[in-house]
Amino acid sequence: DSGVTQTPKHLITATGQRVTLRCSPRSGDLSVYWYQQSLDQGLQFLIQYYNGEERAKGNILERFSAQQFPDLHSELNLSSLELGDSALYFCASSVIGDTTGELFFGEGSRLTVL
Amino acid sequence: GENVEQHPSTLSVQEGDSAVIKCTYSDSASNYFPWYKQELGKRPQLIIDIRSNVGEKKDQRIAVTLNKTAKHFSLHITETQPEDSAVYFCAASRHNQGGKLIFGQGTELSVKP
Repeated sequence: DSGVTQTPKHLITATGQRVTLRCSPRSGDLSVYWYQQSLDQGLQFLIQYYNGEERAKGNILERFSAQQFPDLHSELNLSSLELGDSALYFCASSVIGDTTGELFFGEGSRLTVL
Repeated sequence: GENVEQHPSTLSVQEGDSAVIKCTYSDSASNYFPWYKQELGKRPQLIIDIRSNVGEKKDQRIAVTLNKTAKHFSLHITETQPEDSAVYFCAASRHNQGGKLIFGQGTELSVKP
């Protein structure tokens, strides 16, 4: 158990819909990262928050947004869903603000768009 | 942009043999190179990492080597066991670049008993 909690574990929805994925980092970790893992794309970095502020942005689509709340949990919002958004979405956390240290991954949220 | 290439994509070895996975990175400013192991249906977990001021690091049966000039780093697993079967990801990042840990495409390692 990494200490990072993600909900829901599985989610099935239709194209055009909107979903919210939630992540609670390890106790004491200030940074939250979101990654997308699909079969042909490996682990793609989406976005990072550090202590409530956006710290780094990767290949995140405009239809996707995220935020980190004062209690440090984070939510990833995916809207106008397309079939290609089906993937495993991982949240990870770390103590420090950059990735030159271990990232602790949650178990992931598997999104299926039909 | 930053890119990490990983080879091979699949690797099958006999139990007890060694396995080597290789990665190259494009950003010459990268200074941190972790390796993550992901078992089927599970989360990625860090198994070893190396920083740019070190050429080699070893932890029991696992070792990583780094060649900064060639922008190349490798994972070596000796005396492989069936429980080493998993997907292995290399990654690269640099200090003060936030969460931009760039992963390779992964290597599916299969260790046959």
